[in-house]
Amino acid sequence: KAGVTQTPRYLIKTRGQQVTLSCSPISGHRSVSWYQQTPGQGLQFLFEYFSETQRNKGNFPGRFSGRQFSNSRSEMNVSTLELGDSALYLCASMKSEAGYEQFFGPGTRLTVL
Amino acid sequence: TQLLEQSPQFLSIQEGENLTVYCNSSSVFSSLQWYRQEPGEGPVLLVTVVTGGEVKKLKRLTFQFGDARKDSSLHITAAQPGDTGLYLCAGARNNNNDMRFGAGTRLTVKP
Repeated sequence: KAGVTQTPRYLIKTRGQQVTLSCSPISGHRSVSWYQQTPGQGLQFLFEYFSETQRNKGNFPGRFSGRQFSNSRSEMNVSTLELGDSALYLCASMKSEAGYEQFFGPGTRLTVL
Repeated sequence: TQLLEQSPQFLSIQEGENLTVYCNSSSVFSSLQWYRQEPGEGPVLLVTVVTGGEVKKLKRLTFQFGDARKDSSLHITAAQPGDTGLYLCAGARNNNNDMRFGAGTRLTVKP
C-alpha cells in the first residue's frame, strides 16, 4: 500500500511569490492535515480537511489556505511569501472521521529567499 | 507556550544505556501518540495510547499514558544507534482531529 506522497519535495521561492504544495493521502484515507515544521516552533498545525471540507484550522494568517478534492488529494497554498515561511511542510492522512492515527508524508522543504 | 512539554529537549547517550523521555501537559487528551522523525523525512508513528494508565511495549520501547491522560513517557532499554532521531509526542483532544505536538526530544545514541 503506497504511503502519503507530497510534491514537490524541495522548492525555492522569493519573497512575495506564491506557492502551491500537493499531498496525496493513503488510498482510502479521507482526512488530510497540514503542518508546518521549523526548528524554532516545532510542528504547528495548519488545517485539516475531511471530505472536501475544512474541519479544523490552526493559528496561521489568511495567506495560508488549502483545499481538498473529491479523490481526497489536497493542496495548500501560501501567498505573498515571507522569509519566515521557510519550513518543512508536512501532510498527514487519517482513515476515518474519528480515527486516531495519522500517517505523514516526507514533506516539502520550502525555502524563501 | 507549548500545549505539550517534552523533556529533555536533547539527549546524548552511549549505546546500551537506558533512557526515558517525558511528555507533559495540563490538558486532558483523548489519545496520545509518539512519533520518531529522521532528518529529511516525515514523522513515523510508533504507538497510540488511549486509556489512562495504559502501557504498550514495542520491542525495546515502552510507552505509558498517565492515569489522568495528561502525560506520557517513553522508555528505551539498551539504546542502539538506530534509535537516533527526533521523538515527538502528539495529543488529540475532541476526538480527534485537533492534534497538538510537543517540540520533541532529539536523541543521539553513540556507538
